[in-house]
Amino acid sequence: EAGVAQSPRYKIIEKRQSVAFWCNPISGHATLYWYQQILGQGPKLLIQFQNNGVVDDSQLPKDRFSAERLKGVDSTLKIQPAKLEDSAVYLCASSSTELAKNIQYFGAGTRLSVL
Amino acid sequence: GESVGLHLPTLSVQEGDNSIINCAYSNSASDYFIWYKQESGKGPQFIIDIRSNMDKRQGQRVTVLLNKTVKHLSLQIAATQPGDSAVYFCAENGGGFKTIFGAGTRLFVKA
Repeated sequence: EAGVAQSPRYKIIEKRQSVAFWCNPISGHATLYWYQQILGQGPKLLIQFQNNGVVDDSQLPKDRFSAERLKGVDSTLKIQPAKLEDSAVYLCASSSTELAKNIQYFGAGTRLSVL
Repeated sequence: GESVGLHLPTLSVQEGDNSIINCAYSNSASDYFIWYKQESGKGPQFIIDIRSNMDKRQGQRVTVLLNKTVKHLSLQIAATQPGDSAVYFCAENGGGFKTIFGAGTRLFVKA
């Protein structure tokens, strides 16, 4: 079974520029998550999708961050414009709701550096 | 508010010894807990989980203990190996498949 795929692995941009990240979840997983992980901290949920609907985006800075999952499969996360404090690893995860568990499978992440 | 925290940010153990990583949670409504392992440059990886109706669950070389009275979780790793060196996160689910991660404990295994 293929895992969660993310691209790019690394991205360096200057502040006020825009950036987009892509995620392809495990096939058949209805739930998709985007997390922000700042160095030395645990992942912080940005947005959670169930199929192509948003379940939770309470911690997404909506003035600059946006995410979509149009066909209920792949997802993109965009930052526009980026700030220095957005430097972090952006993790995508997916899960199946079978068995009423929430074991999340993570991609390797995209490391963003904002200069 | 909801929070999941860890008692120790780093833990150093000798190869072959047992490791114990602790975690406190504050949401008494959380009913499902998971331990993840994160190696450098990788995403978190599932290790073991436990539901709130249990107080102990064992896997291969790992055991999770849950004490609901004091809202405490621990991960025990038997015969710790160099490959166990990583950051370990506990996470809690309070319903709606929303997961809250703690800050993590870095485990160093000395050869």
